[in-house]
Amino acid sequence: EPEVTQTPSHQVTQMGQEVILRCVPISNHLYFYWYRQILGQKVEFLVSFYNNEISEKSEIFDDQFSVERPDGSNFTLKIRSTKLEDSAMYFCASRRGFGLVMNTEAFFGQGTRLTVV
Amino acid sequence: TQLLEQSPQFLSIQEGENLTVYCNSSSVFSSLQWYRQEPGEGPVLLVTVVTGGEVKKLKRLTFQFGDARKDSSLHITAAQTGDTGLYLCAGARSGNTPLVFGKGTRLSVIA
Repeated sequence: EPEVTQTPSHQVTQMGQEVILRCVPISNHLYFYWYRQILGQKVEFLVSFYNNEISEKSEIFDDQFSVERPDGSNFTLKIRSTKLEDSAMYFCASRRGFGLVMNTEAFFGQGTRLTVV
Repeated sequence: TQLLEQSPQFLSIQEGENLTVYCNSSSVFSSLQWYRQEPGEGPVLLVTVVTGGEVKKLKRLTFQFGDARKDSSLHITAAQTGDTGLYLCAGARSGNTPLVFGKGTRLSVIA
C-alpha cells in the first residue's frame, strides 16, 4: 500500500543550525502538507503546498521556515536557524485532490522527531 | 479560528466495555476525519465523513457526523486492549483547506 515516507526518523541539532526534513509523498497525490506536534500537544498545521507553490501557511510558518519540491518526488521542510522551541515531531502529509471523499483524505508519514539542543 | 474540542481528554475502561468519544465545534466542516495515533508515530486515518447525519462503521467502531456538520462521535463496542491509543478528529472547512486537529482522546483499555 502506498505510504508517505519521512527521513530522518530522528534529528538532533544544535540551536542556530539549519535542518532539512525530507518527505516522499504518495506518488499520485497533488497536495502536500507539513504539520508539527510538540510533545503532549495537538497536531498543528504549518504549511500546504500545491502546484509547486505554497497555498496556505499558519502563523507558525515564519521566515525561518521554507518548503521545496526539488525533484518531483521529494518534499522538504527547511528550518534556517533552529530554536529550542522548534523541538517537536514534524509530520508530512499528502492528499490526492479534492471533490470525492477519497480525494480529500490526508495520509501522514511516520514523522521526524526534531530535538534542538 | 476553527477549534475542535474533543472529550473526554482521557478515558480508561475495562476490556469489553462500550465507549463514546466526542468531537465538537462551532464551525461547519465540509469533511471530518478520525485518526488514531500511537506514541512516536504519525496519525493513521480511520474514516472520513462528509454528509450531515452520516454514519460509518469500521468493525466495532461507529462514526457519526452531526446533522449540521459541526460535530462527530466515535463509538467503540466491546473495547479490546488493542484499541488503546490516541484518537484524533480533524476537520477541513472546504475541500482544499488544511485539516485542523483536536487535541485528542487518549484511550486506555485494561484487560
